[in-house]
Amino acid sequence: KQEVTQIPAALSVPEGENLVLNCSFTDSAIYNLQWFRQDPGKGLTSLLLIQSSQREQTSGRLNASLDKSSGRSTLYIAASQPGDSATYLCAALNYGQNFVFGPGTRLSVLP
Amino acid sequence: DAMVIQNPRYQVTQFGKPVTLSCSQTLNHNVMYWYQQKSSQAPKLLFHYYDKDFNNEADTPDNFQSRRPNTSFCFLDIRSPGLGDAAMYLCATSPRSGGLNEQFFGPGTRLTVL
Repeated sequence: KQEVTQIPAALSVPEGENLVLNCSFTDSAIYNLQWFRQDPGKGLTSLLLIQSSQREQTSGRLNASLDKSSGRSTLYIAASQPGDSATYLCAALNYGQNFVFGPGTRLSVLP
Repeated sequence: DAMVIQNPRYQVTQFGKPVTLSCSQTLNHNVMYWYQQKSSQAPKLLFHYYDKDFNNEADTPDNFQSRRPNTSFCFLDIRSPGLGDAAMYLCATSPRSGGLNEQFFGPGTRLTVL
């Protein structure tokens, strides 16, 4: 059964810093991996989707990479801003299964 | 705009009083999901519908039921809410085809049980 972990659980950085959030999964036979942002008390907003045949996806200041062989995905945020403060979750989809979420990384970007 | 809509956004109920949460989508997606999310935890899948085929997770309590009368709407019924059922309930959709099984979430319903 797929298990997804995210490290660190919380991260606090000064504005302008580049940062990396990590997502690890135990079953490498994934169909795709999706990164989300969640603001307090809100639903999930999709950021990036990486299909199993891809190694990375980019959207603005965000870049997500996927290394299936090592069971890892990273979300890179360039030039962080206070508005980036939120919880970031990753979810892995395996063939014949449903999405499995990680517990999230709570990011605080300090002005 | 095509989207996933959840009503109400906030729901307060009394211990043991049945409550129904609703979700609608204009994306025409075949798959709909209900998740429960407690504070600082990952969303936990309760049910999903693949078209009209209903699937509940093995550890979803019997207190929770779901209905999907048509492609656009899905309901979550909590028959006798307990204090432990207070949580954010998230509805999501996903297209069936291809590798783009991306999930699209609604804004959630925050349930409070008094």
